Amino acid sequence: EPEVTQTPSHQVTQMGQEVILRCVPISNHLYFYWYRQILGQKVEFLVSFYNNEISEKSEIFDDQFSVERPDGSNFTLKIRSTKLEDSAMYFCASSPGSPMVIQYFGAGTRLSVL
Amino acid sequence: AQSVAQPEDQVNVAEGNPLTVKCTYSVSGNPYLFWYVQYPNRGLQFLLKYITGDNLVKGSYGFEAEFNKSQTSFHLKKPSALVSDSALYFCAVRDDPNYGQNFVFGPGTRLSVLP
Repeated sequence: EPEVTQTPSHQVTQMGQEVILRCVPISNHLYFYWYRQILGQKVEFLVSFYNNEISEKSEIFDDQFSVERPDGSNFTLKIRSTKLEDSAMYFCASSPGSPMVIQYFGAGTRLSVL
Repeated sequence: AQSVAQPEDQVNVAEGNPLTVKCTYSVSGNPYLFWYVQYPNRGLQFLLKYITGDNLVKGSYGFEAEFNKSQTSFHLKKPSALVSDSALYFCAVRDDPNYGQNFVFGPGTRLSVLP
């Protein structure tokens, strides 16, 4: 069964450093998403991406965040200057081109900012 | 704006007994409702969804959910719980008909099935 893959599974960084979280969505999916889950809290939407542009973003997704689909397979989330409060599990998701369908989630990348 | 509530942080049930994990929602239009499960150190796995049609929706692993429009609820149920069902369960909603819009997740309910 196709799945969304995320790398690395755990990323440790120093405050102020840039990090890039990588995702390979399911092939032929057209919509891509990033969510985050701070330890012990609920899953929060960050951004959705379609047709090579951001279609929606939340208040969390400020200027420190950016997303990119650099080639036909990868979907990345960049945090330019990490803060302690960016420590969380980051989930990538993708969905195919029909409305109201399921979003398929990756296993997540745990980001630890020290 | 959409919102989801899961009133119970924790649900404990004995193996073999029926289980219910509660979810209520608030949307401005027609609700599109989902249940996901998260096992330790794993991502979110889709269980089931309600878009239209029968109010009782059947999903993966023997789970089902009942959509109740008057009570704005979408409770997750299973007739006979297994120890392996122990996990974190999230209810999610969207009400925008345009695909590409995000999910709003509830805070999660931790289900513990005791042997």
